[in-house]
Amino acid sequence: GAVVSQHPSWVICKSGTSVKIECRSLDFQATTMFWYRQFPKQSLMLMATSNEGSKATYEQGVEKDKFLINHASLTLSTLTVTSAHPEDSSFYICSARGKGTGPSSYNSPLHFGNGTRLTVT
Amino acid sequence: GEDVEQSLFLSVREGDSSVINCTYTDSSSTYLYWYKQEPGAGLQLLTYIFSNMDMKQDQRLTVLLNKKDKHLSLRIADTQTGDSAIYFCAESAGMGRRALTFGSGTRLQVQP
Repeated sequence: GAVVSQHPSWVICKSGTSVKIECRSLDFQATTMFWYRQFPKQSLMLMATSNEGSKATYEQGVEKDKFLINHASLTLSTLTVTSAHPEDSSFYICSARGKGTGPSSYNSPLHFGNGTRLTVT
Repeated sequence: GEDVEQSLFLSVREGDSSVINCTYTDSSSTYLYWYKQEPGAGLQLLTYIFSNMDMKQDQRLTVLLNKKDKHLSLRIADTQTGDSAIYFCAESAGMGRRALTFGSGTRLQVQP
């Protein structure tokens, strides 16, 4: 089945540094990738949607200059948390939707990475 | 905007059936999904149902959809301790490259 690999699984960084999180679709081409953020005991909140080869679309309240998203290829999207602060500590999860997978090419089920736990000290 | 709601907690005994409920507000929802999340892990797709279906069964899982009431349920038969996790209901509205809207998640606790 469809597999999404997310790396790293956890990271601890100092305040003010930048952290890059990678999301790869291993056996399908991901035309669209989504980045979610999950606080403890809460649901997933969509941060941004990235389509291959175009700029990401950010949800209201998400700073695009702070959360840089690059979707340069059909199998890789990256999220860079720039100048991280303790309040950025969270669980970040990527998901990918492929071409023609699942029920239809546009509503195929999302496949999720295993998430990255970011702790900023 | 879309809104998806779930009860927060469900406790059952091992071997019993579990029923997790979800309501949504967007009448244009096309697909509805159930995901499972174990502690510290990502989301595992369990099953999904298209909005023109009433029921879908997959081994121990049965999904019921009442489109009129915008109510979705997930029934887990013969619940096992390994089923203990958080279960998220999610919906996708319309066609296109849309993200999912998730419910708050239901924590299922299975007691031996």
